[in-house]
Amino acid sequence: DTGVSQDPRHKITKRGQNVTFRCDPISEHNRLYWYRQTLGQGPEFLTYFQNEAQLEKSRLLSDRFSAERPKGSFSTLEIQRTEQGDSAMYLCAWVEASTDTQYFGPGTRLTVL
Amino acid sequence: QKEVEQDPGPLSVPEGAIVSLNCTYSNSAFQYFMWYRQYSRKGPELLMYTYSSGNKEDGRFTAQVDKSSKYISLFIRDSQPSDSATYLCAAEGTGRRALTFGSGTRLQVQP
Repeated sequence: DTGVSQDPRHKITKRGQNVTFRCDPISEHNRLYWYRQTLGQGPEFLTYFQNEAQLEKSRLLSDRFSAERPKGSFSTLEIQRTEQGDSAMYLCAWVEASTDTQYFGPGTRLTVL
Repeated sequence: QKEVEQDPGPLSVPEGAIVSLNCTYSNSAFQYFMWYRQYSRKGPELLMYTYSSGNKEDGRFTAQVDKSSKYISLFIRDSQPSDSATYLCAAEGTGRRALTFGSGTRLQVQP
């Protein structure tokens, strides 16, 4: 049990197409994060939400990326006009309140052809 | 220069060996330090977290932080083939927002 489910687990798309990923927390979590991990690298922060408010965005989050968390529950990450450089694992993380530590979901692996 | 540096390995050890994994960091604002384990094509799994300097032990795992030298270590005792994975160190500042990760060290424990 990773605390969140992510859908789809793997997405293959052609360059120029739009893709949307979803992260569903299993229970209520105030803070929810998105990270991107490329091959051989550690995860890199993209953005995070406190309930429904998007509080911080990384410079990695270009204008082709948009994230939402309507009603403070599930979150979506959309990439428009995908490029081959977008190929990566996209990870969702939630925060355990008592320790303030982040736990990661299984990730969505994106392959852009 | 990355804020958190980690030797990518791979590190290969025989079963039962003591493993030492290390990271260095440059940002003095980091106060919280974590180690995650990641199996191939899976999300990172939290192993240990520590606040500021000191040691923390959990079973076969010991995390050590030396803020004076900006050095983070994870020791694994009695290593098992199931410990074969990529180990990621991460750090966070007092604002407790985004984690900054090292690039990960790939560990292989040979039976």
